[in-house]
Amino acid sequence: GQQVMQIPQYQHVQEGEDFTTYCNSSTTLSNIQWYKQRPGGHPVFLIQLVKSGEVKKQKRLTFQFGEAKKNSSLHITATQTTDVGTYFCAGTTSGTYKYIFGTGTRLKVLA
Amino acid sequence: NAGVTQTPKFQVLKTGQSMTLQCAQDMNHEYMSWYRQDPGMGLRLIHYSVGAGITDQGEVPNGYNVSRSTTEDFPLRLLSAAPSQTSVYFCASSPRGQGYGYTFGSGTRLTVV
Repeated sequence: GQQVMQIPQYQHVQEGEDFTTYCNSSTTLSNIQWYKQRPGGHPVFLIQLVKSGEVKKQKRLTFQFGEAKKNSSLHITATQTTDVGTYFCAGTTSGTYKYIFGTGTRLKVLA
Repeated sequence: NAGVTQTPKFQVLKTGQSMTLQCAQDMNHEYMSWYRQDPGMGLRLIHYSVGAGITDQGEVPNGYNVSRSTTEDFPLRLLSAAPSQTSVYFCASSPRGQGYGYTFGSGTRLTVV
């Protein structure tokens, strides 16, 4: 079945450093979504990517969807303590609304 | 708007007991899903629904039942609780269409002893 892996599992950065998490699917995706979950909270939707090679930005966050639509990345420039949390990707294959989540990357930002 | 409401927030069950986790949304979303979250395992899809009267299995459906008699409600039933079902359960909903992500409830923390 469809599997979505994320690396790294954990990342500790100094405040001001950049951070990147990578998401890889075993199957071609129809689209991919990214979520952020603060400690003790619930996932919150950040963005959806649909097109091959698509790049979207939200302030310091840059999201990319691979050309083959099997991988994606989230890059945070100049991390802040408010970026702390776990970042998940979630993908679905064509014709379904069955979103499979990746394993997540837990980000800690050291002030 | 209340968004996605899950009840109860906490529950302790004995092995073999059954119970229903409630989920209701007031946003007229067509899509609803149940996920469980275990440490280091991310979110795993249990069941999902694309509309009233339509449900389908996710990655880990065994031991759980769902029904979707109305657009608003999507209850999750544990048939005979087992310690392996100790987890945090999230219900989520989304409107149909591109660009919309899931809105998650605040979760139910379930412990089976």
